[in-house]
Formats: sequence, structure tokens, C-alpha cells
Amino acid sequence: NAGVMQNPRHLVRRRGQEARLRCSPMKGHSHVYWYRQLPEEGLKFMVYLQKENIIDESGMPKERFSAEFPKEGPSILRIQQVVRGDSAAYFCASSPYRDGDYGYTFGSGTRLTVV
Amino acid sequence: DQQVKQNSPSLSVQEGRISILNCDYTNSMFDYFLWYKKYPAEGPTFLISISSIKDKNEDGRFTVFLNKSAKHLSLHIVPSQPGDSAVYFCAASPTLLTSGTYKYIFGTGTRLKVLA
Repeated sequence: NAGVMQNPRHLVRRRGQEARLRCSPMKGHSHVYWYRQLPEEGLKFMVYLQKENIIDESGMPKERFSAEFPKEGPSILRIQQVVRGDSAAYFCASSPYRDGDYGYTFGSGTRLTVV
Repeated sequence: DQQVKQNSPSLSVQEGRISILNCDYTNSMFDYFLWYKKYPAEGPTFLISISSIKDKNEDGRFTVFLNKSAKHLSLHIVPSQPGDSAVYFCAASPTLLTSGTYKYIFGTGTRLKVLA
């Protein structure tokens, strides 16, 4: 069991470019969560998805950010027209139960740097 | 609006002694609490949890205490080891919401350094 796989580990983008972050949940997990960690801050919830459905996106910025979890393939967090303030570590987590009773399993994160 | 607070950004403890990490929360609807440990350049890993029906949960060297009336939980590590040096996050979630989701709210973390 490879765990939660995130790629790329590091991503550098120029201001105005698009960033695509991928997350493959653990085998058997159908619930995916994205969190963002800004420098010197905790983990901030962004979005919770099930296959083909966004369940809760209350933590997502209203503009430029979108997420999907298609029937086939990984979950994608997309950031359009990146700005320097988007530089952060983005963590994906997955769980096998809707209620996440056993906590989430996190990936190693994608560190986005906007130059 | 920081609903989960870890007021100590860092803590240093001598090897073999007890480490006590604290966490306060404001939302009385929070019903389930977890602690995660995070090493640099890695994702957080689940450490221990406690539900509001308990006031203590123990797993080896790790014990979590919950004081619901004070809205406070703490993680005790005894004895502390150098390998415990990491950032520790507490996280809280309310009971199942009408939307059917749990959503963990994380604190800002406490960096623990265990000195050999």
C-alpha cells in the first residue's frame, strides 16, 4: 500500500501561470481532503471531495482555485493565474469512511513556490 | 477566527522527561479530537485521538487528556525521546454535520525539540 501519493513534490511557477497539484488517495479510500499550510501557520482546510462530487469547498478561495476528483484518476487541485501569496505547502489527505473516524492519512505534500 | 489554538509555538524538553503539549478550542460542538505529528518535508501522521465521551486515551508513551468544561486538551509524551522532535498539531471536528461530513480544524502547531 503506497499511501497517499502527491505529485509533484515541488512546483515552481511564475506569477500568472497555472499550477496543477495531483493526489492519489490510498487504495480503498474514496474521500479526499485538501489542506494548505502557509509559512508559520497551521493546516487550513480547503475542500473535501468524494468521487465526482465536491462535498464541502468552504475553505477554497472563491476565485482562481478549483478542485476535482474524477471517477478515474487522481484528485486535482488547480490554481489559475498564481500569485506570490499562493506559495505554500498543499497537503492532500484521504479516508475510507465518510466520517473520517480514524483520522486522515496525509500525503507528503506539494510545495508550491511562485516566483 | 482561530477555533483551535496552540499557544506555544515551541517547546524544548530534556530526553527522558515528560513533554506536555496543550491545545484549546472555542467551539463547543467539537466532539472528536486528534493529534498529528509532522516531520520536515513530510505530511502529518496520525498519532492519537480522543472522543468527547472520554477524558483520557493512552497509547504507549502517548496520552491525550480532554477537559471538556475548559475546552482544553493536552498530549503527554513520557518518556520523551529525541525522535519525538517534530511539529505537533491538534485537530478537532464537530459531530457529524447535516452535510454528513467531518472537517478537521487544525491548530497552528507546536514545535517540540527533545534534547539528548
